[in-house]
Amino acid sequence: AIRITQSPSSLSASTGDRVTITCRASQGISSYLAWYQQKPGKAPKLLIYAASTLQSGVPSRFSGSGSGTDFTLTISCLQSEDFATYYCQQYYSYPITFGQGTRLEIK
Amino acid sequence: QVQLVQSGAEVKKPGSSVKVSCKASGGTFSSYAISWVRQAPGQGLEWMGGIIPIFGTANYAQKFQGRVTITADESTSTAYMELSSLRSEDTAVYYCAHLAGRFLEWLGWFDPWGQGTLVTVSS
Repeated sequence: AIRITQSPSSLSASTGDRVTITCRASQGISSYLAWYQQKPGKAPKLLIYAASTLQSGVPSRFSGSGSGTDFTLTISCLQSEDFATYYCQQYYSYPITFGQGTRLEIK
Repeated sequence: QVQLVQSGAEVKKPGSSVKVSCKASGGTFSSYAISWVRQAPGQGLEWMGGIIPIFGTANYAQKFQGRVTITADESTSTAYMELSSLRSEDTAVYYCAHLAGRFLEWLGWFDPWGQGTLVTVSS
């Protein structure tokens, strides 16, 4: 199975900051990567698929980039509602696998 | 737009089984690929398997083969996940989710998700 390593595992930032979360795949996965946001006690919410395609209704401050093995999720101007845990997920190769998550906390 | 609503929390004894339901509305249930993903307390996400009702056959992650059974009832637009031989390590929130993208290959992204069902395994 393809391993996905997310970094950092946790991150402290302030409202208005620009933050970047990285996922690295153990082998090339083209652009077959999705990003999710999860708040405590809630189901994950799809933000981005195909590495950079924003899901309908997701604010434009979220963006994704990368291909091959290295990917980034960027939040351009943090809002209070963005403090959550973020997961990436590859769907290049069966079985689907997820990164271990990045917890974004208020500084 | 499809919506998924799951059954309520369960408390089970070790060695027993649990069956969680996921009712879909707002689309054509038979053509969906419904997957199950679990999340142990404070942990990440793990794909367990899924089913495409129109084909009737389920697909399971190797880790859960032999212990999980995923079924679907087209008459009620409901998918089910049954996990047997429960142990404490199976304590987790279990989510159903619609798999979009290359779903015929069991590859894609998950959207939307059910609200989750907490299964607690304790003696």
